[in-house]
Amino acid sequence: AQSVTQLDSQVPVFEEAPVELRCNYSSSVSVYLFWYVQYPNQGLQLLLKYLSGSTLVKGINGFEAEFNKSQTSFHLRKPSVHISDTAEYFCAVGRYNQGGKLIFGQGTELSVKP
Amino acid sequence: DAGITQSPRHKVTETGTPVTLRCHQTENHRYMYWYRQDPGHGLRLIHYSYGVKDTDKGEVSDGYSVSRSKTEDFLLTLESATSSQTSVYFCAISESSGNHNEQFFGPGTRLTVL
Repeated sequence: AQSVTQLDSQVPVFEEAPVELRCNYSSSVSVYLFWYVQYPNQGLQLLLKYLSGSTLVKGINGFEAEFNKSQTSFHLRKPSVHISDTAEYFCAVGRYNQGGKLIFGQGTELSVKP
Repeated sequence: DAGITQSPRHKVTETGTPVTLRCHQTENHRYMYWYRQDPGHGLRLIHYSYGVKDTDKGEVSDGYSVSRSKTEDFLLTLESATSSQTSVYFCAISESSGNHNEQFFGPGTRLTVL
């Protein structure tokens, strides 16, 4: 069975500090991966996606993620966060030929403090 | 922003009453999904549709039914609402193939079952 684990439920960080949000998945077949962001009282927006090719993926708002097949991880990073990055972040995994169905992680609340 | 609306945006109902949530899209996307979001669980797939009158169950489908009579509308029905169905419900859409395409999310419906 496929599963996604976000290792930290909450990550507090000071403004301009670097941050890493961790995501691990389990799957016996090839996958594609997404990171979504949810600002308070809103729906989810796509930050970035990995389908194939280069394992370092760049997204919007200065975020990037690295796909590591051997460690089955897809950690999200930003070198310098802003107050406006405060939100909940979700990692999601899909398998090919599954009708686009995604499995989401539990979410990580990023709280950026001044 | 993808043209996805959900109605109602907020609803309070009593245990045992039927409830229908509506998702409407203007993108002509083939795939539509219903998720529920609960603290500590991320988003979990309830049902999805891969075309008009073509639907299938997700991981938490018990107590829910769906219908899709038109490309643009995907209805989620709770036949007899229970307190465990108090949640935030999100609709999502995806382009025609469904495979590895990103999902676009609606603004959500907050449902409270008393």
